Amino acid sequence: ELKVEQNPLFLSMQEGKNYTIYCNYSTTSDRLYWYRQDPGKSLESLFVLLSNGAVKQEGRLMASLDTKARLSTLHITAAVHDLSATYFCAVDTYKETSGSRLTFGEGTQLTVNP
Amino acid sequence: GAVVSQHPSRVICKSGTSVKIECRSLDFQATTMFWYRQFPKQSLMLMATSNEGSKATYEQGVEKDKFLINHASLTLSTLTVTSAHPEDSSFYICRAKTGNKQYFGPGTRLTVT
Repeated sequence: ELKVEQNPLFLSMQEGKNYTIYCNYSTTSDRLYWYRQDPGKSLESLFVLLSNGAVKQEGRLMASLDTKARLSTLHITAAVHDLSATYFCAVDTYKETSGSRLTFGEGTQLTVNP
Repeated sequence: GAVVSQHPSRVICKSGTSVKIECRSLDFQATTMFWYRQFPKQSLMLMATSNEGSKATYEQGVEKDKFLINHASLTLSTLTVTSAHPEDSSFYICRAKTGNKQYFGPGTRLTVT
């Protein structure tokens, strides 16, 4: 069974600081997603990483994927309060018997303090 | 861009009643729709996967007779929570997929009193 683990689960940081959220997964996958969720809302797609070594950046967020290590990172640069949210990684896998499915990590609740 | 809608966005119902939640893909045809449930402060848990015109595939531990899924067309899937109980109170989110693209709905907050 695929396991997707995020670390840390809770992150409180000050504005202006940098930090990294880690996402480890236990089986082969060539597609990994990062999502943001605000309280009471659905998921907002941030990044989709398709291949080993993929790096994508949008504003203060940068995501990378190492398929050999089965590790993805979401790096936050110079955090601002607006980044406070819960961040999920999700791994896409495909089986003949069950088709494609997304398995989510536990989520990282980020709070950026002024 | 592609949009997925859910209706209703919030619903409160009494214990023992049934509630239907609709998930629509507005400008594309979704070959597959997925239904998730999310309890407060937790991650999303896949409940079932449905392909248009065929029966849904339920995850282990999800009662198919309690959570009825219908995917009658390529743009509409429905989840009916039958004989709802307070423990069914949750945030239900659909995901619509076409090819390699996939989009989440805005979610439905169900509260069973």
